[in-house]
Amino acid sequence: EAGVAQSPRYKIIEKRQSVAFWCNPISGHATLYWYQQILGQGPKLLIQFQNNGVVDDSQLPKDRFSAERLKGVDSTLKIQPAKLEDSAVYLCASSLRKSSYNEQFFGPGTRLTVL
Amino acid sequence: AQKVTQAQTEISVVEKEDVTLDCVYETRDTTYYLFWYKQPPSGELVFLIRRNSFDEQNEISGRYSWNFQKSTSSFNFTITASQVVDSAVYFCALSEAFYGEETSGSRLTFGEGTQLTVNP
Repeated sequence: EAGVAQSPRYKIIEKRQSVAFWCNPISGHATLYWYQQILGQGPKLLIQFQNNGVVDDSQLPKDRFSAERLKGVDSTLKIQPAKLEDSAVYLCASSLRKSSYNEQFFGPGTRLTVL
Repeated sequence: AQKVTQAQTEISVVEKEDVTLDCVYETRDTTYYLFWYKQPPSGELVFLIRRNSFDEQNEISGRYSWNFQKSTSSFNFTITASQVVDSAVYFCALSEAFYGEETSGSRLTFGEGTQLTVNP
């Protein structure tokens, strides 16, 4: 079974530029998550989708971050414009369902460096 | 609000030593799930174990064991006879359901992680 795919693996941009990350979850997984992991910290949830609908985006900085999952499968996360403090690893995860019982499966992440 | 505390930032041991990683959590819910994940240098978080709040039975899986004590809100993880390949960052996480006005789901809150280094 293929895991969660993410691209690109690394991205370097200058502040105020835009960037987008892509995620393809495990086949059949209805729930998709985006996390931000700053160096030395645990992952923090940005947004959660159930199929193509947003379940929780309470921790997404909506003035600069946006995400979509139009067809209920793959998803993109965008930052526009980027700030220095956005330097982090962006992790995508998926789970079979949205219940708290289901373990989440994580992709390899995209390491973003903002200069 | 839920919170997970991993007080040990870094632990260094010599191969074959036993090591215990501590995890303390806070929640108001009676139903919740606790997880441990491993993050090796490659960066991908790997699921290790899940425990529900009603099951305080300790679990052993090979060299890994978990001690869940609801009375102290702790969910500790022990590696017996550690190996170099165990070197990684280990995260404890707490999952709770939430119910909003229009949606419902679950939130996974991670601790800050414990960097385990096993030296040969």
